Amino acid sequence: RKEVEQDPGPFNVPEGATVAFNCTYSNSASQSFFWYRQDCRKEPKLLMSVYSSGNEDGRFTAQLNRASQYISLLIRDSKLSDSATYLCVVFSSGGSYIPTFGRGTSLIVHP
Amino acid sequence: ETGVTQTPRHLVMGMTNKKSLKCEQHLGHNAMYWYKQSAKKPLELMFVYSLEERVENNSVPSRFSPECPNSSHLFLHLHTLQPEDSALYLCASSQDMSGTGFGYTFGSGTRLTVV
Repeated sequence: RKEVEQDPGPFNVPEGATVAFNCTYSNSASQSFFWYRQDCRKEPKLLMSVYSSGNEDGRFTAQLNRASQYISLLIRDSKLSDSATYLCVVFSSGGSYIPTFGRGTSLIVHP
Repeated sequence: ETGVTQTPRHLVMGMTNKKSLKCEQHLGHNAMYWYKQSAKKPLELMFVYSLEERVENNSVPSRFSPECPNSSHLFLHLHTLQPEDSALYLCASSQDMSGTGFGYTFGSGTRLTVV
């Protein structure tokens, strides 16, 4: 089983739709969680951290479910500019904090 | 301007060439990383430096040789590469290796093609 798994998609949604991605992780000792956004042929950029209590930033909501070992990202009122690949990143303890990246979920928002 | 600058942006090299990738961060971070991103695959960690000391080397072939002369600069020296080494090479930095805070800042990457 892969350490961090994401559905590669693509998720193809119309403008204004609500879309959600999940990311599962296998290491129960995982400590920190992030969502990154990567545009085509660009570098990944931090979108938001993920906390146990959940956190919201405008149209974006991130949740962590430790019992089931997954994190989620919800995007409301999708915009064309939200089209990108969304990477799940998990930091696990064990000597040093080295992150594991998921392969990303591709989102395409169309008019 | 991301705060992490990589040069060159694009590189085409033959299998017998020697070249170097450069990364510079202006954020006062203490940890720097090299990642490889191939099509349809997750980011692969290659090397980690913390306070200029190599912390992690994920079984990377010896044809890739990192150098970290100070906490602001990181190099990746390349020699006798193979076509399958063609990929996007990303440099990243973080405040430390705690995995907390604001995670990584990535450079724009070097898109490498080995012919």
